Amino acid sequence: DTGVSQNPRHKITKRGQNVTFRCDPISEHNRLYWYRQTLGQGPEFLTYFQNEAQLEKSRLLSDRFSAERPKGSFSTLEIQRTEQGDSAMYLCASSPPGRSYNEQFFGPGTRLTVL
Amino acid sequence: GQQLNQSPQSMFIQEGEDVSMNCTSSSIFNTWLWYKQDPGEGPVLLIALYKAGELTSNGRLTAQFGITRKDSFLNISASIPSDVGIYFCAGGGTSNTGKLIFGQGTTLQVKP
Repeated sequence: DTGVSQNPRHKITKRGQNVTFRCDPISEHNRLYWYRQTLGQGPEFLTYFQNEAQLEKSRLLSDRFSAERPKGSFSTLEIQRTEQGDSAMYLCASSPPGRSYNEQFFGPGTRLTVL
Repeated sequence: GQQLNQSPQSMFIQEGEDVSMNCTSSSIFNTWLWYKQDPGEGPVLLIALYKAGELTSNGRLTAQFGITRKDSFLNISASIPSDVGIYFCAGGGTSNTGKLIFGQGTTLQVKP
């Protein structure tokens, strides 16, 4: 069973550019989460999908951020008009249905650097 | 908003020593989880706790869900060099979304 995968692992971009990250969850996991982690901090929740429905978004997710999970499988996170404050590790996690839905399995993350 | 406080922030111990770290919250959680993160990687789930008072082990790791539901601790026995990393507690289960609230982490260094 393969784990959660994320691409790219690293992204360097110039301020003002758009970037898109992809997450492939563990197969049969119906829940998918995006978190952001800055240096020295724990991950912070951004948004959550159950199947293809986006059911919760954090206040951290400004209008420049959009996430999709079109077929209930992989998900994309797009940041438009990037700012230097967007530099962070973006983590994706998935969890199975049922009682264990809090047991979230994380991918390796995408490290974003905005110059 | 909900916040988790982890202590200590960092630990530097000798190989073979036992380690204890804890996590406290101003809010109640229905689930407590402990993760370990290596540099440049995502967090890896170590232990999940679902019931107040529950004590769960995973190899040399033991974690407990506090009876007030506002705290949890993690013990590592007989530490080894590969235990080095950042340990995060996370609270969840307060909504159906599964959103987790993380602590700031405890950095563990082990001297061989």
